[in-house]
Amino acid sequence: GQSLEQPSEVTAVEGAIVQINCTYQTSGFYGLSWYQQHDGGAPTFLSYNALDGLEETGRFSSFLSRSDSYGYLLLQELQMKDSASYFCAVRGVSGAGSYQLTFGKGTKLSVIP
Amino acid sequence: EAQVTQNPRYLITVTGKKLTVTCSQNMNHEYMSWYRQDPGLGLRQIYYSMNVEVTDKGDVPEGYKVSRKEKRNFPLILESPSPNQTSLYFCASSQPGQGGKLFFGSGTQLSVL
Repeated sequence: GQSLEQPSEVTAVEGAIVQINCTYQTSGFYGLSWYQQHDGGAPTFLSYNALDGLEETGRFSSFLSRSDSYGYLLLQELQMKDSASYFCAVRGVSGAGSYQLTFGKGTKLSVIP
Repeated sequence: EAQVTQNPRYLITVTGKKLTVTCSQNMNHEYMSWYRQDPGLGLRQIYYSMNVEVTDKGDVPEGYKVSRKEKRNFPLILESPSPNQTSLYFCASSQPGQGGKLFFGSGTQLSVL
């Protein structure tokens, strides 16, 4: 099976930097993804790490350490519109040889002035 | 425009009355999946499909059925809905090799009375 742990809530100040951590346990591993979801909306893809290291996309960066089964999402220059829930998701391998995408329970980020 | 289309957006029904939530994607994606989202539980996978006529159970398949007769469509069927299936449902699709990037539909809010 697969399981992921991430903090349930984080609060940060506008303009600051925030890091959202994710630890996972999985049988087989293809990669770690991050999604953003605003209230009432659908999740949208932010980033994907298959290999160790840092991936940067604008204000958002994502890091993966496969040996530690750990990753994080880094949000810089926080804006009010970044207030949302953030989910990490892991691609593992099911017994049938195909793959599943399992999500964490999400981290609700509140950006305050 | 590339998109995943779910219908209906809102649905209220009664216990035991069969219903189908439709999902269609226009991106020629091989992989499609269904998730339910409940407060505090994140996104949980119900079923997924690697291609036409290939489906597999996710983490919470009980009470649901799916079919994949065409590549673009992946309907979710509740043969005898119960109140514990009241939830927000999302359909998603992706192309293997795109790094875990899922495209989500707008969601279906289902209430079973």
